[in-house]
Amino acid sequence: DTAVSQTPKYLVTQMGNDKSIKCEQNLGHDTMYWYKQDSKKFLKIMFSYNNKELIINETVPNRFSPKSPDKAHLNLHINSLELGDSAVYFCASSQGRGVVQYFGPGTRLTVT
Amino acid sequence: TQLLEQSPQFLSIQEGENLTVYCNSSSVFSSLQWYRQEPGEGPVLLVTVVTGGEVKKLKRLTFQFGDARKDSSLHITAAQPGDTGLYLCAGARFGNEKLTFGTGTRLTIIP
Repeated sequence: DTAVSQTPKYLVTQMGNDKSIKCEQNLGHDTMYWYKQDSKKFLKIMFSYNNKELIINETVPNRFSPKSPDKAHLNLHINSLELGDSAVYFCASSQGRGVVQYFGPGTRLTVT
Repeated sequence: TQLLEQSPQFLSIQEGENLTVYCNSSSVFSSLQWYRQEPGEGPVLLVTVVTGGEVKKLKRLTFQFGDARKDSSLHITAAQPGDTGLYLCAGARFGNEKLTFGTGTRLTIIP
């Protein structure tokens, strides 16, 4: 019974391509997040949605576009992929805008 | 600018030894959390501390929140190989839903 799941687990693609990562949570939470973890393991928030409304939008290139079709899903679409986009992307969820967050297993994106 | 600096960045010790990991900031946080992340997995929450000076124990792990709410420490007693992992502190600022993560400490316990 996975609480926060992400697909795919691994994604290898070429520069310039467009790709999507999907996230689903079955915890009944109303807030979801996307984080990026770089090669030095630094974890930085990118976006957050509360009840399908965007509440956090960090300084992220507009090639990244999150979409939340419902409270249980938060997808991340990336246009025109660049080498620097290579990282592990984590989805997380919480109840309310709380700090107790549950993370998914991550999607390792490699751009060649 | 890193708001939360962790030290040491890397730590490798023998099984049975004690260790302390530090998480420091010049900013005040309403709460602070510690996570452990294993390879190929997402961070898993260990503890949340919310009161300045608070101490929480989780079996062999002791967490402390600084009196001024700017720093925290994680002490592990009699470390075991299962403690190996990346330890991340994360702070929440007052009136800000965003969690800021620390720079991480990669801990290796040698059997």
